[in-house]
Amino acid sequence: QSVLTQPPSASAAPGQKVTISCSGSSSDIGKNYVSWYQHLPGAPPKLLIYENDKRPSGIPDRFSGSKSGTSATLAITGLQPGDEADYYCGTWGDYLTALWVFGGGTKVTVL
Amino acid sequence: QVQLQQWGAGLLKPSETLSLTCAVSGGSLSGYHWSWIRQPPGKGLEWIGEINHSGSANYHLSLESRATIALDTSKNEFSLRLNSVTAADTAVYFCARLAFWSEYCHDIWGQGALVTVSS
Repeated sequence: QSVLTQPPSASAAPGQKVTISCSGSSSDIGKNYVSWYQHLPGAPPKLLIYENDKRPSGIPDRFSGSKSGTSATLAITGLQPGDEADYYCGTWGDYLTALWVFGGGTKVTVL
Repeated sequence: QVQLQQWGAGLLKPSETLSLTCAVSGGSLSGYHWSWIRQPPGKGLEWIGEINHSGSANYHLSLESRATIALDTSKNEFSLRLNSVTAADTAVYFCARLAFWSEYCHDIWGQGALVTVSS
């Protein structure tokens, strides 16, 4: 069972918007930056968002992140078939169990 | 640009030791931390542990009795050893760079390596 809680699935039609939530606690998300990763089958995870809402070079602005309190959200607008993947949030953990924690992952389906 | 290339034995028997190595090219080990992360079949990502450029390591509490992460600065590599493996250790294992002092994320990943534990 993951420390960070994500919905197992999300879906939307092409061109539409999908949002993915990531819920944690005051020990992790509440006091640390959140990052988001896209994981396509057969490939390594790819960094999409860091420091809650920043995009690395090359990541389109269709991907956006936000954080409020102990929760974070990834939004994907203008959904494309190539966006069908698993998405994970991650942040620093409580340092007692794990220095770093991931969410359980959300499978995004483009209808 | 920095790239990570990983390798290691892919098929192990129960009780054997898992050994993986990750080579860093296009950059130095200095200034970053270096993680190992795994994904069991049908499950999500699980952080195993990390090591800094000085060789100090941290592990997930559930694995710290069996895991060892080491650094070889002369080869610009880091490694993971996990002893006494069981079927539950079957997973795709990834090495990744952890931007510890800024960005605070795993920004570069190795290609992944499937490790299967089976008798």
